[in-house]
Amino acid sequence: DIVMIQSPDSLAVSLGERATINCKSSQSVLSSSDNQNYLGWYQQKSGQPPKLLIYWASTRESGVPDRFSGSGSGTDFTLTISSLQAEDVAVYYCQQYYDFLQRTFGQGTRVEIK
Amino acid sequence: EVQLEESGGGLVKPGGSLRLSCAASGFNFSNAWMSWVRQAPGKGLEWVGRIRSKTSGGAADYGAPVKGRLTISRDESKNMLHLEMNSLKIEDTAVYYCTTDGLVVPHTFDFWGHGTLVTVSS
Repeated sequence: DIVMIQSPDSLAVSLGERATINCKSSQSVLSSSDNQNYLGWYQQKSGQPPKLLIYWASTRESGVPDRFSGSGSGTDFTLTISSLQAEDVAVYYCQQYYDFLQRTFGQGTRVEIK
Repeated sequence: EVQLEESGGGLVKPGGSLRLSCAASGFNFSNAWMSWVRQAPGKGLEWVGRIRSKTSGGAADYGAPVKGRLTISRDESKNMLHLEMNSLKIEDTAVYYCTTDGLVVPHTFDFWGHGTLVTVSS
C-alpha cells in the first residue's frame, strides 16, 4: 500500500495568516500515462463528513475559495490556505488514488486559530 | 442534488453481523461507482471498499483490513448501496460513510453521506 504521511499533525494560525500542510507519499503518485498526480485533499469540519477540496494535486473543486491551493508532484505535496478564515478550522486529509485497488489517506492535520 | 443517506448502524457484539444501507438520489445511480469510507472515533479516514457500476461489471474491491469479512452490493431497482459486515471486531467500530466514487471528479470521493455509527462492543 502507498503510505501517506502528513505534517504537521496540527497547527495554529492567526486569522488572515498562511497555513501550510505537507503530504508525502511512500511512492510516486504521478502517472506517466497522463502526467497527472493522483492526489486529492479533503476538508472535514467538526461533526460533518469530509468534503473534496482539491484533486489532481492542484485543481480546486467547484465552489472552493481561491485561498485554498494545492501544489507538488511525485511524492511531495502541499495544501496552502493563503489567508486563514474562521470557517477554515477543520481537519485536512490528503488521499492518493494512484493505487486503484488500495486508496489511502494521510493521518490528517488539524488547523486551528491561534 | 446528490443525496446519500446511510442507515443500519448500531451496537453489535464482537463476532456479530450488521448490514448497512445507503439510499442514493439526485444522480444516475446505475452508472455510478460507489465506495464506503470509515472513521474510527477520533481517528482518520480509511477506505473500506468500492463497487463498480453494473455497466462496468459490478465487481467490488476491498481494503486489506476488511477483506473477506465485508461485502458490498447494490440494488439498482431501489438505488441502494449495501455493506454486509460479518465477523465484526472491536476495531471495526467507526462511522461508516457512503460516497460516490468519481461521479463528477474522476477517482475521487466527491459526494458523501453523513455517516452511520457502528459500535462493536461486548
